Amino acid sequence: GAVVSQHPSWVICKSGTSVKIECRSLDFQATTMFWYRQFPKQSLMLMATSNEGSKATYEQGVEKDKFLINHASLTLSTLTVTSAHPEDSSFYICSATFRADTGELFFGEGSRLTVL
Amino acid sequence: KQEVTQIPAALSVPEGENLVLNCSFTDSAIYNLQWFRQDPGKGLTSLLLIQSSQREQTSGRLNASLDKSSGRSTLYIAASQPGDSATYLCAVSGSARQLTFGSGTQLTVLP
Repeated sequence: GAVVSQHPSWVICKSGTSVKIECRSLDFQATTMFWYRQFPKQSLMLMATSNEGSKATYEQGVEKDKFLINHASLTLSTLTVTSAHPEDSSFYICSATFRADTGELFFGEGSRLTVL
Repeated sequence: KQEVTQIPAALSVPEGENLVLNCSFTDSAIYNLQWFRQDPGKGLTSLLLIQSSQREQTSGRLNASLDKSSGRSTLYIAASQPGDSATYLCAVSGSARQLTFGSGTQLTVLP
C-alpha cells in the first residue's frame, strides 16, 4: 500500500510553454500533498504544500503564479509550470501521507522536466 | 530554520562491510526523522521512520538511531551489498509535517 504515482515521468518542452505534472495517491486519500524540486546532485527543496480544497502554501522564494498547484480531490494534486524557461528544468517530486499518527511521507517516482 | 547535514557526502566500501551514515539537524523540535534511498533519476523509497519519542528502528540489515537532544541520527547498514549502492537521504519533519532534507550520502558498494 501507500503508492504515490506521478505522471509524466519525463517531459521535454519548448521555452514559453506550460507543463502539467500529476500526482496521485493510488490506494489512500491524501488531504495534504507536498511538492519538491531537486537540481542535479542536490537535495530536495520543498516548493509548496498542497491542501485539498484550498489554496496551496508556497515556500519563500517560490513564485505561486509560475508554479500553479491544484488539489482538486483527495487523490490528485497537479503542478503546472507556466511559461517554462530553461532554468525551470529540474526533477519534481510529490509526496503524500495518510499516516496522521506517524506523519510518514510516501513519494512519487518524480518527473524530469527539460525546457529547451 | 531547520538545517540538516549529512556526512560523508560520498562513501565507497567493499561488499560485506558494515557501515554508518551520519545525519545531524540544528533544531531538536522535530516530529519524526526519516531515512530514504534514492536511485539515480528515481524517486524516494522510505527506509525507516523514527518518531521523536523513539531512539531507534530496525528493518532487515538497516538500523537507524535517533538522539534528538544532540540533533543526530545514524543509519547503520550491515553486510553491505552492491544492490545497496544509492544515495541515502535523511529528512526531519516539523509539526507541519514538512520535511527538511539533508544533501545525502552517495554510497557505492564494490563487488
